Amino acid sequence: EAGVAQSPRYKIIEKRQSVAFWCNPISGHATLYWYQQILGQGPKLLIQFQNNGVVDDSQLPKDRFSAERLKGVDSTLKIQPAKLEDSAVYLCASSSTSGGAYAYNEQFFGPGTRLTVL
Amino acid sequence: GDSVTQMEGPVTLSEEAFLTINCTYTATGYPSLFWYVQYPGEGLQLLLKATKADDKGSNKGFEATYRKETTSFHLEKGSVQVSDSAVYFCALTGRTGANSKLTFGKGITLSVRP
Repeated sequence: EAGVAQSPRYKIIEKRQSVAFWCNPISGHATLYWYQQILGQGPKLLIQFQNNGVVDDSQLPKDRFSAERLKGVDSTLKIQPAKLEDSAVYLCASSSTSGGAYAYNEQFFGPGTRLTVL
Repeated sequence: GDSVTQMEGPVTLSEEAFLTINCTYTATGYPSLFWYVQYPGEGLQLLLKATKADDKGSNKGFEATYRKETTSFHLEKGSVQVSDSAVYFCALTGRTGANSKLTFGKGITLSVRP
């Protein structure tokens, strides 16, 4: 079974430029997450999708970050304009709903995209 | 809100040494607790989990017991190997189903020397 795919793996941009990251979850996984991992910290949830609907985007800086999951499969996370403090690893994860609405369904993580903003 | 606190690192051990990595949490209700591991150049992987008080999660020789009275989930291994060198994250989720985000600690880097 193929894992969660992300691209690009690395990106270097100047501040105020825009950037986009792509995620392809595990086939059949309805739930998709984007996490931000700043160096020396644990991952922090930015946004969670259930199929193509947003479940939680309370920690997404909506003035500069946007995300979409068209057709409930692939997802794109965009930053425009980027700031120095956006330098981080952006992780995508997916999970199924096979355990039911009241069970924990394991999240599977992609390798991440490392963003450096100069 | 929910939070996870891990002991400060990094940790360096000799092969076959005993490992303990401390983790405490703050959460409302009855969270599920996890240890994730990130090997060099790889993505985060679930190492073990426990979903209720007194549960013991175990995998690859690692163990952790969900202690509600001390709000702790310490990771232990009796004899570490060089291949255990990685970053370890303690995490919790306070909800299940549709809203199931993970809250992570800062992580700790473990280096095991031969």
